[in-house]
Amino acid sequence: GESVGLHLPTLSVQEGDNSIINCAYSNSASDYFIWYKQESGKGPQFIIDIRSNMDKRQGQRVTVLLNKTVKHLSLQIAATQPGDSAVYFCAENPSSGTYKYIFGTGTRLKVLA
Amino acid sequence: GAVVSQHPSWVICKSGTSVKIECRSLDFQATTMFWYRQFPKQSLMLMATSNEGSKATYEQGVEKDKFLINHASLTLSTLTVTSAHPEDSSFYICSASRTGRAQYFGPGTRLTVL
Repeated sequence: GESVGLHLPTLSVQEGDNSIINCAYSNSASDYFIWYKQESGKGPQFIIDIRSNMDKRQGQRVTVLLNKTVKHLSLQIAATQPGDSAVYFCAENPSSGTYKYIFGTGTRLKVLA
Repeated sequence: GAVVSQHPSWVICKSGTSVKIECRSLDFQATTMFWYRQFPKQSLMLMATSNEGSKATYEQGVEKDKFLINHASLTLSTLTVTSAHPEDSSFYICSASRTGRAQYFGPGTRLTVL
């Protein structure tokens, strides 16, 4: 079936360095993608989204890159801070007329002091 | 904007009882609300999609008689876990969307069934 997966389950990054979290998706019909951050015991927090007609979108300290050719999505966090420690999920929304999301398995980001 | 709340944040109940979880969109009207379940260290699993005033659409494998969903208004949806058992213990999260495709998530409800 269709799936969204992440290459690395855990990513450790030194404070101040940049983080890159990757996500592979398999549904070529997906045209909307979102990154969420989830801290322990809390609900997912919207970070940034991107539509398939774009290949890059920037937010505050975050950048999402979309490569439709290889069905790859990445989240870049600049100057990673301790508060960035969390699990990050990518989600895709196939353009099927519904707003259902398919979530990836998640990557835990650990920021080392 | 786009704040979603859930109540309660955690609940402990005895096996065989029913538990109701509320999901509210506080500063917007939600055309659609979603209910997810999340086990420890796992991703979110969509249980059902609900639209105001209509019956919820359940995902395959989710018992609609077990997990009752009522979307009474554009700002409130409830999930009732009926005759709860220990295997129903989980983290339940709702989300709401307005006119766009972004979903905004609530803080989650930790259910523990003894």
